[in-house]
Amino acid sequence: SQQGEEDPQALSIQEGENATMNCSYKTSINNLQWYRQNSGRGLVHLILIRSNEREKHSGRLRVTLDTSKKSSSLLITASRAADTASYFCATDAYTDKLIFGTGTRLQVFP
Amino acid sequence: GAVVSQHPSRVICKSGTSVKIECRSLDFQATTMFWYRQFPKQSLMLMATSNEGSKATYEQGVEKDKFLINHASLTLSTLTVTSAHPEDSSFYICSAQRAGDTGELFFGEGSRLTVL
Repeated sequence: SQQGEEDPQALSIQEGENATMNCSYKTSINNLQWYRQNSGRGLVHLILIRSNEREKHSGRLRVTLDTSKKSSSLLITASRAADTASYFCATDAYTDKLIFGTGTRLQVFP
Repeated sequence: GAVVSQHPSRVICKSGTSVKIECRSLDFQATTMFWYRQFPKQSLMLMATSNEGSKATYEQGVEKDKFLINHASLTLSTLTVTSAHPEDSSFYICSAQRAGDTGELFFGEGSRLTVL
């Protein structure tokens, strides 16, 4: 079964607004990652947060991790139409393989 | 950044034929590659883990005789869908882990297989 469940499944916002996506997972992890996928394309790595980190920033991205709740959030600030994509969290459960969450489809309207 | 090339990007074949998909790490060595399958508007489902020079490790429910994986070198892994049927139609994506790295995966652009 998939490791992560994401919420919401779909999100529609206007350009300039912030987008927040949440990910919950089931087992202990070494790290959690977020990936982006444009329609019909491969995945692009966005950010990795380790289990001993609580927050990480990268440009307009902010990721938080709460290991006690087994959850993470991805915040995209000042969204742009080009941010339209599916976003997936992925966890490793202390193995060498990543298990992906269900994904959030983000639509940013100009 | 590291580049993974996946080929072909699209393939259409007749039922009963076999299709080979290649995954190459272009500018790094990949001791481990992963093969995923993705249905429309769904997440990626891990099919198998491919380690250079050894047999692939398949996830539960994935037929190893159906989906043959070979990782002959540190830069190339192949997935062969044997005796393809329409239900095998899907988007297949490979990813590679750089030797010595733990964590970030580098993905190919995916291969869309349509079996008629």
